[in-house]
Amino acid sequence: GAVVSQHPSRVICKSGTSVKIECRSLDFQATTMFWYRQFPKKSLMLMATSNEGSKATYEQGVEKDKFLINHASLTLSTLTVTSAHPEDSSFYICSASPMGLAGGGELFFGEGSRLTVL
Amino acid sequence: SQQGEEDPQALSIQEGENATMNCSYKTSINNLQWYRQNSGRGLVHLILIRSNEREKHSGRLRVTLDTSKKSSSLLITASRAADTASYFCATDEAGYSTLTFGKGTMLLVSP
Repeated sequence: GAVVSQHPSRVICKSGTSVKIECRSLDFQATTMFWYRQFPKKSLMLMATSNEGSKATYEQGVEKDKFLINHASLTLSTLTVTSAHPEDSSFYICSASPMGLAGGGELFFGEGSRLTVL
Repeated sequence: SQQGEEDPQALSIQEGENATMNCSYKTSINNLQWYRQNSGRGLVHLILIRSNEREKHSGRLRVTLDTSKKSSSLLITASRAADTASYFCATDEAGYSTLTFGKGTMLLVSP
């Protein structure tokens, strides 16, 4: 199956700092990537759809200026949590679909990034 | 917004027993997928069933879909301790190009 790599797996930062999380598709090109957030023992909440070469599409209630998404190439999308606060502490997971979801493709997920803001 | 609702929220069984998880959703879908998540890890795709299919098998997995009731079930037969994980259903609503995940069922299989 396709491989999606996410880095870092864990990050601890101080309140007010910014943190960047990278998501790479290693063996396929991804014009679209999806960023999810997961709270403990909860489901995945779609934050935004990252589009290569254009602006990301954010879900309702997700602050664009808080969660900056950049999809500069067909294999790399980044999520930057700006001016992080303790309430931003969460598990962030990226995913992509080599075949596209429209055709019934499956999502391949990164291993997730555990962010802890002190 | 949440589309799928899994039931039960948690399930504890012995090795060798079968595990059944249910998922209900609200809108028309193109297909429904099941994913597995080990604690603190990413999700892994298990099986996809299209809206025009009623049942699908993959190894020890059996998935059913009832579009009239907007529900699906995932059956894991002859469970193993390694099946311990959270299981999520995900739907792609007709007309949308994203997947919406349910709340998940935490399965614990004891040796």
